[in-house]
Amino acid sequence: QSVLTQPPSASGTPGQRVTISCSGSSSNIGNNYVYWFQQFPGSAPKLLIYRDNQRPSGVPDRFSGSKSGTSASLAISGLRSEDEADYYCGAWDDSLSGYVAFGGGTKLTVL
Amino acid sequence: QVQLVQSGPEMKKPGASVKVSCKASGYTFITYGLTWVRQAPGQGLEWMGWISPYNGKTRYSQRVQGRVTMTTDTSTNTAYMELRSLRSDDTAVYFCARRSADYPLDIDYWGQGTLVTVSS
Repeated sequence: QSVLTQPPSASGTPGQRVTISCSGSSSNIGNNYVYWFQQFPGSAPKLLIYRDNQRPSGVPDRFSGSKSGTSASLAISGLRSEDEADYYCGAWDDSLSGYVAFGGGTKLTVL
Repeated sequence: QVQLVQSGPEMKKPGASVKVSCKASGYTFITYGLTWVRQAPGQGLEWMGWISPYNGKTRYSQRVQGRVTMTTDTSTNTAYMELRSLRSDDTAVYFCARRSADYPLDIDYWGQGTLVTVSS
């Protein structure tokens, strides 16, 4: 059971806009930055969004992040077949001695 | 260009130890922290901890605290993650990643991953 809750799956057709949610608590999302990672099978994760809504250079502006209270979302607009991947949210959690919490991941299928 | 190259796959028996290496190149090693993350087969990401090559300071997750040691060798620009008393649920791909800034998930480069299989 992950500390951050994501839907296990999401889907959309090419060109659509899809959002992936990430729900947490005041000890993680509510009080710390949220990060989003994209991972293809057999590969290392790649940072997609950092500090809630910032895009690293090279990440298309089709990807955007937002946060409200103890929940965050990743939005992908103009969906493309190459966006089919697993997506993970992560945040620092202040509980216990402090640690990095990840969501369980969302498998995005492009129909 | 920045590269993190990890050691090859390992097969270990329960109770044994494993030491995974992560050799950095293309940047000043002591300037950036290194984070270790693992991923069990078909599962999500799990943060294990990090180390500062500058001063050797470490921070471990409570889940592996007491069994894990992260070290660096600044003469070879290599980071190591040793996990002891291995159990079957330690079977995972282990990733090292460069921490680019102050926050724990400010990660910009990843190693390719090292599969550690624990089986009798």
